This record gives sequence, C-alpha cells and structure tokens, in this order.
Amino acid sequence: QSALTQPPSASGSPGQSVTVSCTGTSSDVGFYNFVSWYQQHSGKAPKLMIYEVTKRPSGVPDRFSGSKSGNTASLTVSGLQAEDEAEYYCSSYAGSNNWVFGGGTKLTVL
Amino acid sequence: QLQLQESGPGLVKPSETLSLTCTVSGGSISRSYYYWGWIRQPPGRGLDWIGSVSFTGSTYYNPSLRSRLTVSVDTSRNQFSLELSSVTAAETAVYYCARHDLHSNCFDYWGQGTLVTVSS
Repeated sequence: QSALTQPPSASGSPGQSVTVSCTGTSSDVGFYNFVSWYQQHSGKAPKLMIYEVTKRPSGVPDRFSGSKSGNTASLTVSGLQAEDEAEYYCSSYAGSNNWVFGGGTKLTVL
Repeated sequence: QLQLQESGPGLVKPSETLSLTCTVSGGSISRSYYYWGWIRQPPGRGLDWIGSVSFTGSTYYNPSLRSRLTVSVDTSRNQFSLELSSVTAAETAVYYCARHDLHSNCFDYWGQGTLVTVSS
C-alpha cells in the first residue's frame, strides 16, 4: 500500500482536460510544498513533469499544471494528446528525510 | 546532458545481498544540493524510494529498509551503489537510480532501470 493515494485510472478524449488527484496527510502533502509528478510510459523510466507543486522543468509542455489544496495535490493535463497516455505518479517530501510516492494513475486517451 | 546507468546482477537468491551500481556521465557526482538516489518498482506496481547518498557519503534511508540497506558513493568513478541484504521474492523489481534534488525535493534525472529478480 502506497503512502499517497491516487485513483487507479483516469481518461479523457483528445483536446479535453483531465485532472489526477494525489491525497496524502497533514504530515506530507498538506505540510510541505514539495509535491512532484512523474510521467511513465510503458517500459520506460519515469520523467519529472512537475516539482514544488506547480513548477515545470524546462521542456515540459505548459499543458501540464499542478496545484494543491489541503492534503490533496492535483495534476491537470489540458488539451489532451495521444502521447499523454501513460502512468502518472505523485511524490511528496514527508519530513524526517523521507520521501513517499503514490500508487500511480493510468491515464487513457480515448 | 546528465545520464545515469544502472548495472549489476539480474538474478539474486533469496536471503542473499542485492548489489547494484549507478554510473553517472555528463556531469560530476560531486555537486552540492544534489543527492543520488535509488527507487524501485515491483512488476505492475508503484514506485518506492529506497535511499539516497551525497557525494560526501551522507545518507538518507527509507525507514522500512534501514536495517538491511547500504548506499555508498565513489566520487573517483562518478558512481554510487546500493546493497540490500536478506532479500525476499517480494523485492523482485525494476531498480532505478536517479539524481535527487534536495532543494526541490524531487528526482530530476533517471536511469533506464534494471530488473532484479529474487529467486532460487
């Protein structure tokens, strides 16, 4: 059982927006602004998409955005494209030099 | 462009020690604010942080693995390593090495991963 809770699946049609949630506790997601999101295509390594809740690394399309409210962080993919179909994982700093991940959400582009 | 590459045995017997090395190229491992981490992913499951090491040898370990885990660094070879003792079949997974940015608390560069199977 993962420390952070994500829905197992999400889906949307091309051009639509989809939001993936990541629920933690007041000791991790709710306390620190250190939530990151990773995209993993099948058989590939994870790729950093969002860090510090809302920031995008260079090269990540601005269709990807992050937010947080209370103990829940969210990743929104706008203008959904076929190449966005992948597994998405959230992660948070949990204090005491410990880092935790979510169980992953499979995003399907219909 | 920073690149990381895992290496080590793909098969380990139960109760033995799993050992992997990550070679970093395209940049020095000896940089402040960066640690070097290990993350694993059992087949069909999510990611799990194992532990991280700085170029000075300072370490952070997942509390659930601390008693069996050693993560070390060799700056002369630009490498860092993982040793996990007394492994079980449940620890069969793809093991990834990654750069751990402690300023932003994220993993920004990843290796391709290596599958380690624990089986007799």
